[in-house]
Amino acid sequence: QVSLVQSGPEVSKPGASVKVSCKTSGYNFTTYGITWVRQAPGQGLEWMGWISAYNGNTNYGHKFRGRVTMTTDTSTTTAHLDVRRLTTDDTAVYYCARGRPGGEQWLATWGQGTLVTVSS
Amino acid sequence: DIQMTQSPSSLSASVGDRVTLTCRTSESVRSFLNWYQQRPGKAPKLLIFAATNLETGVPSRFGGSGSGTDFTLTISSLQPEDVATYYCQQTYLFPAFGRGTRVEIK
Repeated sequence: QVSLVQSGPEVSKPGASVKVSCKTSGYNFTTYGITWVRQAPGQGLEWMGWISAYNGNTNYGHKFRGRVTMTTDTSTTTAHLDVRRLTTDDTAVYYCARGRPGGEQWLATWGQGTLVTVSS
Repeated sequence: DIQMTQSPSSLSASVGDRVTLTCRTSESVRSFLNWYQQRPGKAPKLLIFAATNLETGVPSRFGGSGSGTDFTLTISSLQPEDVATYYCQQTYLFPAFGRGTRVEIK
Protein backbone atom coordinates (compact mmCIF):
# COMPACT_ATOMS: atom_id res chain seq x y z
CA GLN A 1 0.00 0.00 0.00
CA VAL A 2 1.02 3.59 -0.52
CA SER A 3 3.03 4.94 2.40
CA LEU A 4 4.76 8.22 3.20
CA VAL A 5 7.06 8.19 6.23
CA GLN A 6 8.64 11.43 7.36
CA SER A 7 11.82 12.16 9.24
CA GLY A 8 11.84 12.89 12.96
CA PRO A 9 11.32 16.13 14.90
CA GLU A 10 13.79 18.95 14.53
CA VAL A 11 14.84 21.82 16.76
CA SER A 12 16.58 24.72 15.04
CA LYS A 13 17.70 28.23 15.88
CA PRO A 14 16.46 31.38 14.17
CA GLY A 15 18.42 32.05 11.01
CA ALA A 16 19.33 28.41 10.52
CA SER A 17 18.01 25.92 7.97
CA VAL A 18 16.13 22.66 8.34
CA LYS A 19 15.59 19.69 6.04
CA VAL A 20 12.57 17.41 6.29
CA SER A 21 12.42 14.12 4.40
CA CYS A 22 9.50 12.07 3.14
CA LYS A 23 10.24 8.44 2.25
CA THR A 24 7.67 6.96 -0.10
CA SER A 25 6.81 3.36 -0.92
CA GLY A 26 4.11 1.24 -2.50
CA TYR A 27 3.84 3.00 -5.87
CA ASN A 28 5.82 4.17 -8.88
CA PHE A 29 7.53 7.23 -7.41
CA THR A 30 7.78 9.22 -10.63
CA THR A 31 4.04 8.91 -11.37
CA TYR A 32 2.97 11.41 -8.70
CA GLY A 33 4.27 14.66 -7.30
CA ILE A 34 4.63 15.50 -3.64
CA THR A 35 2.89 18.39 -1.96
CA TRP A 36 4.11 20.01 1.26
CA VAL A 37 1.66 21.48 3.78
CA ARG A 38 2.43 22.94 7.19
CA GLN A 39 0.40 23.66 10.30
CA ALA A 40 1.50 26.04 13.03
CA PRO A 41 0.43 25.16 16.59
CA GLY A 42 -3.31 25.62 16.97
CA GLN A 43 -3.62 26.99 13.45
CA GLY A 44 -4.96 25.82 10.10
CA LEU A 45 -3.33 24.16 7.12
CA GLU A 46 -0.99 26.13 4.88
CA TRP A 47 -0.10 24.95 1.36
CA MET A 48 3.64 25.38 0.75
CA GLY A 49 4.19 23.95 -2.70
CA TRP A 50 4.42 20.96 -4.98
CA ILE A 51 7.18 19.14 -6.81
CA SER A 52 6.92 16.73 -9.70
CA ALA A 53 8.79 13.50 -9.01
CA TYR A 54 8.89 12.94 -12.76
CA ASN A 55 10.94 15.97 -13.83
CA GLY A 56 11.56 18.04 -10.69
CA ASN A 57 9.30 20.91 -11.73
CA THR A 58 8.15 22.92 -8.74
CA ASN A 59 5.32 25.27 -7.84
CA TYR A 60 5.96 27.22 -4.65
CA GLY A 61 3.45 29.24 -2.73
CA HIS A 62 4.11 32.99 -2.99
CA LYS A 63 5.01 33.22 0.68
CA PHE A 64 7.75 30.59 0.43
CA ARG A 65 9.51 31.49 -2.79
CA GLY A 66 13.21 32.13 -2.28
CA ARG A 67 13.29 30.54 1.15
CA VAL A 68 12.11 27.00 0.45
CA THR A 69 13.50 24.32 -1.85
CA MET A 70 11.74 21.08 -2.67
CA THR A 71 13.67 18.20 -4.20
CA THR A 72 13.20 14.54 -4.96
CA ASP A 73 15.59 11.59 -5.13
CA THR A 74 14.33 8.86 -7.42
CA SER A 75 17.06 6.45 -6.29
CA THR A 76 15.64 6.44 -2.76
CA THR A 77 12.03 7.43 -3.65
CA THR A 78 12.31 10.24 -1.13
CA ALA A 79 11.19 13.86 -1.25
CA HIS A 80 12.94 16.59 0.69
CA LEU A 81 11.92 20.01 1.94
CA ASP A 82 14.56 22.61 2.82
CA VAL A 83 13.54 25.74 4.68
CA ARG A 84 16.15 28.48 5.11
CA ARG A 85 16.44 31.58 7.29
CA LEU A 86 14.11 30.13 9.89
CA THR A 87 12.12 32.34 12.22
CA THR A 88 9.93 31.41 15.17
CA ASP A 89 6.95 31.73 12.82
CA ASP A 90 8.22 28.61 11.03
CA THR A 91 7.49 26.49 14.10
CA ALA A 92 4.96 24.01 12.76
CA VAL A 93 4.17 20.44 11.82
CA TYR A 94 5.25 19.88 8.24
CA TYR A 95 3.38 17.29 6.17
CA CYS A 96 4.15 15.70 2.82
CA ALA A 97 1.21 14.39 0.82
CA ARG A 98 0.49 12.62 -2.46
CA GLY A 99 -2.45 12.99 -4.80
CA ARG A 100 -4.82 10.31 -5.94
CA PRO A 101 -5.26 9.04 -9.52
CA GLY A 102 -6.70 11.83 -11.62
CA GLY A 103 -5.69 14.71 -9.38
CA GLU A 104 -2.31 15.78 -8.03
CA GLN A 105 -3.98 18.05 -5.49
CA TRP A 106 -6.54 15.51 -4.31
CA LEU A 107 -4.28 14.77 -1.34
CA ALA A 108 -5.31 11.23 -0.49
CA THR A 109 -2.14 10.00 1.26
CA TRP A 110 -0.27 11.94 3.94
CA GLY A 111 2.87 11.47 5.94
CA GLN A 112 2.65 11.43 9.72
CA GLY A 113 4.03 14.95 10.02
CA THR A 114 7.32 16.35 11.26
CA LEU A 115 7.40 18.89 14.07
CA VAL A 116 9.93 21.64 13.47
CA THR A 117 10.56 23.89 16.45
CA VAL A 118 12.45 27.13 15.95
CA SER A 119 13.74 28.57 19.19
CA SER A 120 16.78 30.43 20.40
CA ASP B 1 -5.18 35.43 -4.32
CA ILE B 2 -8.52 33.71 -3.89
CA GLN B 3 -9.94 34.29 -0.45
CA MET B 4 -11.74 31.44 1.27
CA THR B 5 -14.30 31.73 4.03
CA GLN B 6 -15.52 28.75 6.01
CA SER B 7 -18.55 28.99 8.25
CA PRO B 8 -19.28 28.52 10.97
CA SER B 9 -15.85 28.54 12.60
CA SER B 10 -17.15 25.97 15.08
CA LEU B 11 -20.35 24.13 15.85
CA SER B 12 -21.73 21.75 18.41
CA ALA B 13 -24.39 19.23 17.46
CA SER B 14 -25.96 16.07 18.81
CA VAL B 15 -25.26 12.55 17.62
CA GLY B 16 -27.57 11.82 14.71
CA ASP B 17 -27.98 15.47 13.69
CA ARG B 18 -27.61 16.63 10.13
CA VAL B 19 -24.67 19.04 9.96
CA THR B 20 -23.90 21.49 7.15
CA LEU B 21 -20.55 23.24 6.71
CA THR B 22 -20.02 25.90 4.09
CA CYS B 23 -17.03 27.19 2.15
CA ARG B 24 -17.20 30.33 0.05
CA THR B 25 -14.50 31.56 -2.33
CA SER B 26 -13.92 35.16 -3.42
CA GLU B 27 -14.05 34.19 -7.09
CA SER B 28 -15.19 31.15 -9.00
CA VAL B 29 -13.09 28.01 -8.58
CA ARG B 30 -15.49 25.99 -10.75
CA SER B 31 -15.46 22.52 -9.10
CA PHE B 32 -11.83 22.66 -7.95
CA LEU B 33 -12.74 22.29 -4.30
CA ASN B 34 -11.83 19.53 -1.87
CA TRP B 35 -12.76 18.76 1.74
CA TYR B 36 -10.53 17.29 4.44
CA GLN B 37 -11.14 16.02 7.95
CA GLN B 38 -8.45 16.44 10.59
CA ARG B 39 -8.89 14.71 13.90
CA PRO B 40 -6.86 16.06 16.84
CA GLY B 41 -3.20 15.13 16.58
CA LYS B 42 -3.63 13.42 13.22
CA ALA B 43 -2.80 14.18 9.61
CA PRO B 44 -5.65 15.45 7.42
CA LYS B 45 -7.80 12.95 5.56
CA LEU B 46 -9.35 13.53 2.15
CA LEU B 47 -13.15 13.25 2.27
CA ILE B 48 -14.44 14.87 -0.92
CA PHE B 49 -12.59 15.79 -4.12
CA ALA B 50 -13.74 17.91 -7.04
CA ALA B 51 -16.63 19.28 -4.96
CA THR B 52 -18.88 16.24 -5.03
CA ASN B 53 -16.83 13.04 -5.24
CA LEU B 54 -16.61 10.83 -2.17
CA GLU B 55 -13.13 9.47 -1.55
CA THR B 56 -12.85 5.68 -1.38
CA GLY B 57 -13.54 4.34 2.09
CA VAL B 58 -15.22 7.48 3.39
CA PRO B 59 -18.63 6.80 4.95
CA SER B 60 -21.61 7.69 2.80
CA ARG B 61 -22.99 10.04 5.47
CA PHE B 62 -20.51 12.59 4.10
CA GLY B 63 -21.54 14.49 0.99
CA GLY B 64 -20.28 17.49 -0.96
CA SER B 65 -22.13 19.91 -3.19
CA GLY B 66 -21.68 23.22 -4.94
CA SER B 67 -19.71 24.84 -7.73
CA GLY B 68 -18.42 28.29 -8.56
CA THR B 69 -18.08 30.16 -5.27
CA ASP B 70 -20.37 28.33 -2.83
CA PHE B 71 -19.78 24.84 -1.51
CA THR B 72 -21.24 22.64 1.19
CA LEU B 73 -20.07 19.63 3.15
CA THR B 74 -22.94 17.74 4.75
CA ILE B 75 -22.80 15.08 7.41
CA SER B 76 -26.21 13.43 7.24
CA SER B 77 -26.08 11.83 10.69
CA LEU B 78 -23.31 13.05 12.99
CA GLN B 79 -21.32 10.33 14.74
CA PRO B 80 -18.91 10.60 17.69
CA GLU B 81 -15.94 9.79 15.44
CA ASP B 82 -16.75 12.83 13.30
CA VAL B 83 -15.39 15.16 15.98
CA ALA B 84 -12.69 16.96 14.00
CA THR B 85 -11.81 20.12 12.15
CA TYR B 86 -12.91 20.23 8.52
CA TYR B 87 -11.01 22.19 5.90
CA CYS B 88 -11.92 23.12 2.37
CA GLN B 89 -9.16 23.52 -0.22
CA GLN B 90 -9.38 25.24 -3.59
CA THR B 91 -7.03 24.06 -6.31
CA TYR B 92 -8.23 26.26 -9.17
CA LEU B 93 -5.32 28.69 -8.91
CA PHE B 94 -2.55 28.49 -6.33
CA PRO B 95 -3.94 25.90 -3.92
CA ALA B 96 -5.06 27.17 -0.57
CA PHE B 97 -6.99 25.95 2.45
CA GLY B 98 -9.78 27.62 4.35
CA ARG B 99 -9.42 28.33 8.07
CA GLY B 100 -11.49 25.32 9.07
CA THR B 101 -14.68 24.47 10.95
CA ARG B 102 -14.40 22.66 14.27
CA VAL B 103 -17.16 20.14 14.89
CA GLU B 104 -17.97 18.97 18.41
CA ILE B 105 -20.60 16.75 19.98
CA LYS B 106 -23.17 18.43 22.20
